Amino acid sequence: DAGVIQSPRHEVTEMGQEVTLRCKPISGHNSLFWYRQTMMRGLELLIYFNNNVPIDDSGMPEDRFSAKMPNASFSTLKIQPSEPRDSAVYFCASSSGPNTGELFFGEGSRLTVL
Amino acid sequence: AQKVTQAQTEISVVEKEDVTLDCVYETRDTTYYLFWYKQPPSGELVFLIRRNSFDEQNEISGRYSWNFQKSTSSFNFTITASQVVDSAVYFCALSELRYSTLTFGKGTMLLVSP
Repeated sequence: DAGVIQSPRHEVTEMGQEVTLRCKPISGHNSLFWYRQTMMRGLELLIYFNNNVPIDDSGMPEDRFSAKMPNASFSTLKIQPSEPRDSAVYFCASSSGPNTGELFFGEGSRLTVL
Repeated sequence: AQKVTQAQTEISVVEKEDVTLDCVYETRDTTYYLFWYKQPPSGELVFLIRRNSFDEQNEISGRYSWNFQKSTSSFNFTITASQVVDSAVYFCALSELRYSTLTFGKGTMLLVSP
């Protein structure tokens, strides 16, 4: 079975440009999470969806960040405009339901903003 | 608020040595889950184990073992006879029942030398 699929794996862009990261969760999973990993802050939860509905977006850093889940098999995380401090690895994860806790992670999207 | 502390930033051992990775957590809930994830150099996050707060039995899986002690709020991870392939960053994580998200510790980098 396919795991969580993220694209792109690597993105290098210039400050001010729009960045869109994509995620396809495991089929049948109804919870989806976006995490960001940096050396300074470790793994931070950005936003969490359940049944395509955003449940907790308190981790989204600021208005430049937005996330959508138009259907059960696709989610996007958009940064507009991007800044150098957004450079990080962004992970998408899915789980089979709330409160199971066991997350299946994608391979991550490494973003570098110059 | 939930919190996970991994005091050991980096550990270096020689192959075949035993090594214990410490994890201390804080939560106000009586029902919660604890996890360990492995992040090898390739970058993906790999689930290792989940324990719920009502099950304090220690668990062994091959060379891996976990010691859960509610009295000290600790969930330590021991690798017996370490191997070079065990080199990775290991994350401890906590999930309270009323939330579906994981709070991660900062991680412990384990380097196993031949």
